[in-house]
Order: sequence, then C-alpha cells, then structure tokens
Amino acid sequence: KQEVTQIPAALSVPEGENLVLNCSFTDSAIYNLQWFRQDPGKGLTSLLLIQSSQREQTSGRLNASLDKSSGRSTLYIAASQPGDSATYLCAVVQTGANNLFFGTGTRLTVIP
Amino acid sequence: NAGVMQNPRHLVRRRGQEARLRCSPMKGHSHVYWYRQLPEEGLKFMVYLQKENIIDESGMPKERFSAEFPKEGPSILRIQQVVRGDSAAYFCASSGGQRGTEAFFGQGTRLTVV
Repeated sequence: KQEVTQIPAALSVPEGENLVLNCSFTDSAIYNLQWFRQDPGKGLTSLLLIQSSQREQTSGRLNASLDKSSGRSTLYIAASQPGDSATYLCAVVQTGANNLFFGTGTRLTVIP
Repeated sequence: NAGVMQNPRHLVRRRGQEARLRCSPMKGHSHVYWYRQLPEEGLKFMVYLQKENIIDESGMPKERFSAEFPKEGPSILRIQQVVRGDSAAYFCASSGGQRGTEAFFGQGTRLTVV
C-alpha cells in the first residue's frame, strides 16, 4: 500500500531564506507527483506537477524534483516570503490507480 | 474560466439529518474525485466518478455515503443520517481524465455535525 511521508511536519524560517521541503513515497510505481499549497480553511492550490518520466519542474521561485527510484521528491522555495506561509502537500498517483495519495503536509511559517 | 466550484462552503447538520454536497468541475473536465480531510489529518480519497459512472469507490464508507455525477448538473456527495464523526472538510477535484493529468481542487465544504 502506498504511503506518502512529509518531513518536517512544521518549519519556521526567516523571510528571505531558501528552503527545502521533503516528500517520500514507498511505492515507486507512480504516474506523477503533484505539490499543492493549502491555506488555513481553504482549498488546495496546485503548484507543480511532475510526470514520472521527468526529473524536475520549475515555476517562479519554486522548483520540484523527483527521484522515482528512491521514492523521493523535494520542493525548493527560493527567497521565501511571508505570503509563502501555508501547508504544503505532496501527492502521488500510483500506477493502476486514478486517485491521489496524500502526505500529511509540512506547515511552513515565514517570519517577517 | 471558473475553477472547481463547491457548495455550500459551510454546512451544519444535526445528527441523523442528511448532508448533500455539490461539486461542479472545471469546464471541459469530466472526471471528478471526492476527498475527505479530518481535523489534523491528511486528505483521504473517497470516490472517483465520470459522467454517469462510478469508477472507483474504494475509499467510500459502505453505509450512509453515496455519490453521483449525472449527465447534467454537478456531482453530489450524499451523507445520510450524519454522525459527529462525519464532521470534516470534503474536497472535490477534477481533471481532464487521463492518468497523469493535473488535478484541480475546489475550496471544499466544511461539514459540522452538531
């Protein structure tokens, strides 16, 4: 059974710092991996989608990498801002399935 | 181009009542997924539907819960005889359908059972 783990559960950094969020999954047979952002009491905003054949994707200050063989993904946020404060979720679509398996998220606080 | 629309945003029901949650997918999307997020827990898959078909309901409780996605109109997640443990945020997502395509989520419906 696929399990998705995100470490750390919570992270506080001062504004301007670069940071890395980690995601690991136990079954490497995946179609894709998606990173989301969730603000308190709100829905999920898709940040980046990495197909299983890709190694990384970039959008603005965000860069996500995927190492499928080792079951790991990282989300790199450059020059963090207070507006980046949110919970970041990673999720995978497993081969043969249609739905997303979610990690429990990393709660990020960027201190002004 | 509106995103995934869910309503109501907040729903309060007394124990034993019925809850009906609605989801309209993004324009052009015919695949809908429902997820539940319990307080301080991650999102858990419930059901995957295409128009007029339930494709995968492996995450749906066997009793009291049902879902549909009719040919016309939104997808409906229905919870009969709600109990306190049903209190959660229910999220709907839609995609273009093919595996590997990006999923887009609605703002969720927060159900509180009193």
